[in-house]
Amino acid sequence: DVKVTQSSRYLVKRTGEKVFLECVQDMDHENMFWYRQDPGLGLRLIYFSYDVKMKEKGDIPEGYSVSREKKERFSLILESASTNQTSMYLCASSPGVFYNSPLHFGNGTRLTVT
Amino acid sequence: TQLLEQSPQFLSIQEGENLTVYCNSSSVFSSLQWYRQEPGEGPVLLVTVVTGGEVKKLKRLTFQFGDARKDSSLHITAAQPGDTGLYLCAGRASGGGADGLTFGKGTHLIIQP
Repeated sequence: DVKVTQSSRYLVKRTGEKVFLECVQDMDHENMFWYRQDPGLGLRLIYFSYDVKMKEKGDIPEGYSVSREKKERFSLILESASTNQTSMYLCASSPGVFYNSPLHFGNGTRLTVT
Repeated sequence: TQLLEQSPQFLSIQEGENLTVYCNSSSVFSSLQWYRQEPGEGPVLLVTVVTGGEVKKLKRLTFQFGDARKDSSLHITAAQPGDTGLYLCAGRASGGGADGLTFGKGTHLIIQP
């Protein structure tokens, strides 16, 4: 089974801090994604990556950046955390070759910015 | 931006009842996926439908893709407490790559024993 591991389940940070959310997948998937999930808004795509060192903006990239130095690892960076970035963050991966392949999600990181 | 509207947003029913959840759009999708998310976990894929009119069954769950590929439904027969969760539909636009997946806002389903 594909395993997508997010380094923290819960994180509390202060406004203005630089925050790193880490995600690792063990199935050699080309594609990796970061979503945030908020009540009433559903899943919204922040950034995704098709390959090492490649990144593409999703629907809501403002205030975020990403890093993909190795194929298995995709990091989400909040340069200066703000309270409106309090949310559940979900990492996902999928193989690049199959058009309708499913997304495999991690269990999420619930971030609170105070 | 292609939108997927899910209804109902919330549904609480008794064990043994039947229910249907809807996923609608004004846009055509090349495929549609259904995920279930349980508390404290990430979404997990239930099914992918790709052909207009396609029906897929997964035990007590029946998924249908509309003939025009703009809508889908999930029907659960004799619901069980283990069916409780957040059900998400996600559509892939024609020609869209891995990034072309649009999620609905989800249906929160509670099955009471």
